[in-house]
Amino acid sequence: AQSVTQLGSHVSVSEGALVLLRCNYSSSVPPYLFWYVQYPNQGLQLLLKYTTGATLVKGINGFEAEFKKSETSFHLTKPSAHMSDAAEYFCAVSENQGAQKLVFGQGTRLTINP
Amino acid sequence: DVKVTQSSRYLVKRTGEKVFLECVQDMDHENMFWYRQDPGLGLRLIYFSYDVKMKEKGDIPEGYSVSREKKERFSLILESASTNQTSMYLCASTLGLAGGRTGELFFGEGSRLTVL
Repeated sequence: AQSVTQLGSHVSVSEGALVLLRCNYSSSVPPYLFWYVQYPNQGLQLLLKYTTGATLVKGINGFEAEFKKSETSFHLTKPSAHMSDAAEYFCAVSENQGAQKLVFGQGTRLTINP
Repeated sequence: DVKVTQSSRYLVKRTGEKVFLECVQDMDHENMFWYRQDPGLGLRLIYFSYDVKMKEKGDIPEGYSVSREKKERFSLILESASTNQTSMYLCASTLGLAGGRTGELFFGEGSRLTVL
């Protein structure tokens, strides 16, 4: 069975600092990996995804993530945090087959300090 | 743009009431999902459907049922609401993997249900 672990339920960084949100997964087949963001009182929207090919993927709002198969990780980074990045972030994994169910991590709430 | 619309953003119900949560998507997606979101637990899959009149249980189906009579509409039903079903409910849809697509989910804005 697939699973996702996000290390740290809360992360706080200063504006302009590096953002690093950690995600580790387990999957018995080559995974598809996703990061979603949720702003207050809204649904989730896709930040970026890894399917095949290049292991460093770029998403919206300056975020990127790197798929590391040997470490079963898909950490999300942004070089310089902005106040508007404050939100909850979810990592998700799916099998690349079937009905495309996604399994989500517990979420990481990102706070940006001025 | 894909739009997934959940009929009610906020609901307050009493224990034992029957509750319907409606979800409509406008992009002809085959697959539709209901998740519930609770602090510290992330999103957990309740039910999903990959075709009209088809449904499959997710990880936490107990106390819920679903209906998909039309491709664009997927309803979540709480036959007898209980206080432990107070939560945020998120509907999502996807085209699935046909034609080389990667199957990312598109979400509605959520329905926050409080059961008293």
